[in-house]
Amino acid sequence: DAKTTQPTSMDCAEGRAANLPCNHSTISGNEYVYWYRQIHSQGPQYIIHGLKNNETNEMASLIITEDRKSSTLILPHATLRDTAVYYCIVTYSRDDKIIFGKGTRLHILP
Amino acid sequence: EAGVAQSPRYKIIEKRQSVAFWCNPISGHATLYWYQQILGQGPKLLIQFQNNGVVDDSQLPKDRFSAERLKGVDSTLKIQPAKLEDSAVYLCASSFPSRGAGTQYFGPGTRLLVL
Repeated sequence: DAKTTQPTSMDCAEGRAANLPCNHSTISGNEYVYWYRQIHSQGPQYIIHGLKNNETNEMASLIITEDRKSSTLILPHATLRDTAVYYCIVTYSRDDKIIFGKGTRLHILP
Repeated sequence: EAGVAQSPRYKIIEKRQSVAFWCNPISGHATLYWYQQILGQGPKLLIQFQNNGVVDDSQLPKDRFSAERLKGVDSTLKIQPAKLEDSAVYLCASSFPSRGAGTQYFGPGTRLLVL
């Protein structure tokens, strides 16, 4: 079973920052947080991952709370192409399999 | 670099027929995964290969599903005989050893409809 809790759906205005929350209250010290997204009719796409520190790449930023029990994926300037299902996944190590939950359906509104 | 290739993109069959899906991972990716995604749900891992060996097939319904990766590169997933509940998208993914299993690259999937 997925070890994370995410809202079922969210809306965000185009051009604004989209902040997607994820709760992982049972996370252990060596578990990573991964984010993927799945645009309609496509395969999932890796976005970002982190262990303890906040991370940023060309797609998004990942903010992990100090107690590591929750995290937020930030899309700084959302566009219509960011409309997708976003999956937050916790996994033991870089080499452990990933288990997808139902994710958050993000709608970017024009 | 070229992405993960899958074929066919769509397949419609009748129940009790057989079907096969093909996947070509990204060059150099030793690990290959097959997932099943039922409408409205997240992908579910069916089988994981490391080169041409099976690492995890605990979720593969072995009475009807089979998969192989003979030369450690491309792979086929077969269903025989198909049931109505096998209607789903079948996704193939691959990962590079140095980046770990958490970072996977997915193909576009094969959408299967069983009538």
